[in-house]
Amino acid sequence: QKEVEQNSGPLSVPEGAIASLNCTYSDRGSQSFFWYRQYSGKSPELIMFIYSNGDKEDGRFTAQLNKASQYVSLLIRDSQPSDSATYLCAVTRNDYKLSFGAGTTVTVRA
Amino acid sequence: GAVVSQHPSWVICKSGTSVKIECRSLDFQATTMFWYRQFPKQSLMLMATSNEGSKATYEQGVEKDKFLINHASLTLSTLTVTSAHPEDSSFYICSAPPQGARGFEQYFGPGTRLTVT
Repeated sequence: QKEVEQNSGPLSVPEGAIASLNCTYSDRGSQSFFWYRQYSGKSPELIMFIYSNGDKEDGRFTAQLNKASQYVSLLIRDSQPSDSATYLCAVTRNDYKLSFGAGTTVTVRA
Repeated sequence: GAVVSQHPSWVICKSGTSVKIECRSLDFQATTMFWYRQFPKQSLMLMATSNEGSKATYEQGVEKDKFLINHASLTLSTLTVTSAHPEDSSFYICSAPPQGARGFEQYFGPGTRLTVT
């Protein structure tokens, strides 16, 4: 079983719609959760981090964490073509050693 | 936000030669930096933790004698791929935690694409 699993995608959404990305993790001791965006050929860019159960909003992005279900999600509202990228979920227990999921590729159709 | 740079951005080398990749924190000091590797269509895998003033720690399965890491100063870590082979061709990315980070967030450098012919 992989440590971090993401919905495989690709996910195609029309411009202006909501993109919903899911991530589950196997280590119940995980404490910190991150969403990175990676454009093709580029390195990952941190867009959100969440440490507590519940929702965390930052602009058009909302991260949701449910530790009991070992589940973290990312919602992208009002999706734009510039949001087309691969989104990586990463988790860690209590250090900087991140475990990454395989990523979900999102395509926003204009 | 914290800025991490890498040099070179891409490099092509012949099999058997060594290649050095630099990772710099531009506007902050980083006593710890991390090296990741990403093969095409795959996610990032942590290779090693670079520690200023002490030896690097390597993840299971990563050969320390092949991937030499030197954390020369509070702003510079280098990764040297020794006796490179085509299977070492990959995207190498370093990261560093920003000063004052509340948690374990990291910022990634732009990456170095290595092609071994």
